[in-house]
Formats: sequence, C-alpha cells, structure tokens
Amino acid sequence: DIQMTQSPSTLSASVGDRVTITCRASQSVSTWVAWYQQKPGKAPKVLIYEASNLESGVPSRFSGSGSGTEFTLTITSLQPDDFATYWCQQYNSFPAFGQGTRVDIK
Amino acid sequence: QLQLQESGPGLVKASETLSLTCTVSGGSITSRTYYWGWIRQPPGKGLEWIGGVYYTGGTYKNPSLTSRVAISVDSSTNQFSLKLSDVTAADTAVYYCTRDKGGRQRGCFDFWGQGTLVTVSS
Repeated sequence: DIQMTQSPSTLSASVGDRVTITCRASQSVSTWVAWYQQKPGKAPKVLIYEASNLESGVPSRFSGSGSGTEFTLTITSLQPDDFATYWCQQYNSFPAFGQGTRVDIK
Repeated sequence: QLQLQESGPGLVKASETLSLTCTVSGGSITSRTYYWGWIRQPPGKGLEWIGGVYYTGGTYKNPSLTSRVAISVDSSTNQFSLKLSDVTAADTAVYYCTRDKGGRQRGCFDFWGQGTLVTVSS
C-alpha cells in the first residue's frame, strides 16, 4: 500500500499569509496526486488534480506542485474562507488519503 | 449541475449488512467517462476510499475491504449502491458517494454527495 504523510497536522495562520502544506508518498506516485479542502460538516472539495492542475472554479491563490514522492499545496494569500482542513490523496494505485492538515486562525 | 444524494438507514446492527444508495441527478450515470464510488470518514478522522463502479458494472475496490464490499449500478434509475457486510463499530462513519473523474484521472473525485452518517450499534 502507498502511504501519504502530510505535514504539518495543524497550522495556525493569519489572513494574507502564504501557507504551504506538504505531502510525502511512501513510493513514487508520479503526478497522480489531488488536494481537497473540507469544512466542518461538509464534503471535501477538489482543489488540485494531477499534482498541479487547478480544478475549474477554484481561486488562483491555490496551487500545487511536485512529482514522485514530494508534493506541496500553496495558498499564496490566505483568505477567511480558506480556514479548513486540507487532504492530499494519491491515485497512482488504489486511492489513499493523507492524514489531513487543519488550517486555523492564529 | 450534477448532484449526488445518499440514502439509507442511519443505524445498523453489528454483524449485519450496511446498504446505501446514491441517486445521481443533473447528469447520466451511463457516461462513458466517469466512475461512481464511495468514500467514508469516521467521526473526527480521515478519509478512506471504499470502491467504485463503472456504468457497465465493473468495479474496483479497496483491498482492505474487498471481501465485505459490493458496489452495483442501476442505469434505469440513475443510482448506484453500496453493501458492506458483517459490520462492526469500526464501520461507523459518514459515507459519501462520489463521482470519479475516470479516464487518466480515475481515482480523483470531483463531485461529492453531502454524506450520510451510519452508526453501527451493538
């Protein structure tokens, strides 16, 4: 099984901050990685697919990068609506998610 | 706009079978592009992919659950279903039905239902 390890597990930030979340795969997953945002009581929403492709309708302040085993999600200027939990997920083999990163208000 | 809606019992007894249905509206389940699937999330915990089904009935499932999981599709009603047998308290979770982008992006989920909480009681 391919394990996805996210860091940090919790991140405190302020509006306007640049935020970076990292995900490491236990073996290469090429660029088959997606990132999701989840708010309390809601279903996750896809932000990025194939490591760096912005899903339609997602603000351009979100970006993804990486290949192989190291991936990052960056939010260039954190907005009030961005306080949420973020999940990475690989789909090189059967889909598997990271443990999540909660972004809360500093 | 595509919408997915889960339905089924919110309480299941241990050792019995959990059964959920997802109704797809605003699009056809017989699209040749997409898979349709299930993901679950225990309260306060992470996401676990359960499996997916193509409109032809072909499935792919999480190896850790495959012996207990059946996923089927009914194109006449634009629905797909999940059955999870021999449930325990560890199966208590919010269950989401999803659309899988399919093709080269199979395994990436672009539409989700609102989720339904299923509690396993002893």
